Amino acid sequence: DTAVSQTPKYLVTQMGNDKSIKCEQNLGHDTMYWYKQDSKKFLKIMFSYNNKELIINETVPNRFSPKSPDKAHLNLHINSLELGDSAVYFCASSRGWDGTEAFFGQGTRLTVV
Amino acid sequence: TQLLEQSPQFLSIQEGENLTVYCNSSSVFSSLQWYRQEPGEGPVLLVTVVTGGEVKKLKRLTFQFGDARKDSSLHITAAQPGDTGLYLCAGTINFNKFYFGSGTKLNVKP
Repeated sequence: DTAVSQTPKYLVTQMGNDKSIKCEQNLGHDTMYWYKQDSKKFLKIMFSYNNKELIINETVPNRFSPKSPDKAHLNLHINSLELGDSAVYFCASSRGWDGTEAFFGQGTRLTVV
Repeated sequence: TQLLEQSPQFLSIQEGENLTVYCNSSSVFSSLQWYRQEPGEGPVLLVTVVTGGEVKKLKRLTFQFGDARKDSSLHITAAQPGDTGLYLCAGTINFNKFYFGSGTKLNVKP
């Protein structure tokens, strides 16, 4: 059973489109995250939710809107996609909200053309 | 400027050699984790260290947290091709801010 699963794994889309990435965790964790990994493999946190409430928003353009319908799900919606949004997006979860011992999904490689 | 600097960025060694990867910062961390990431996969947690000076061993991997909790090292003994991957350190500050290091790409040749 996959602990943290995100879909789709690959996403190719044109500039200006709107797209969503879904994430689900079956670990019973209270906290979920979205990270962005750039071409140099640097991982940067975008959002953190604890029990469906936003606790971290790291200077992300408001074209990115996370939504957490329940504590097992954290989806990421991106409006008006730009070339610079191309990256691998990782969902993660952890027991507590301090970011330690996070479990990551397999990633979604987003390519904007 | 990144809060956590890892060195070296790239490391290519022969099977059986030993290596050390460093993770340094000027900030004090509440805890520090090491992850390994393989191509096409998400990072997988290897270890968490929380006490200054703490040493943890995981088979051939030895992790150390600096006394001042500003740095950490990962030592691999007798590296094997299966150790190949991207090694990432990540640190938590004040239990509510966390950052990843720049990563060390390790290639172990048979």
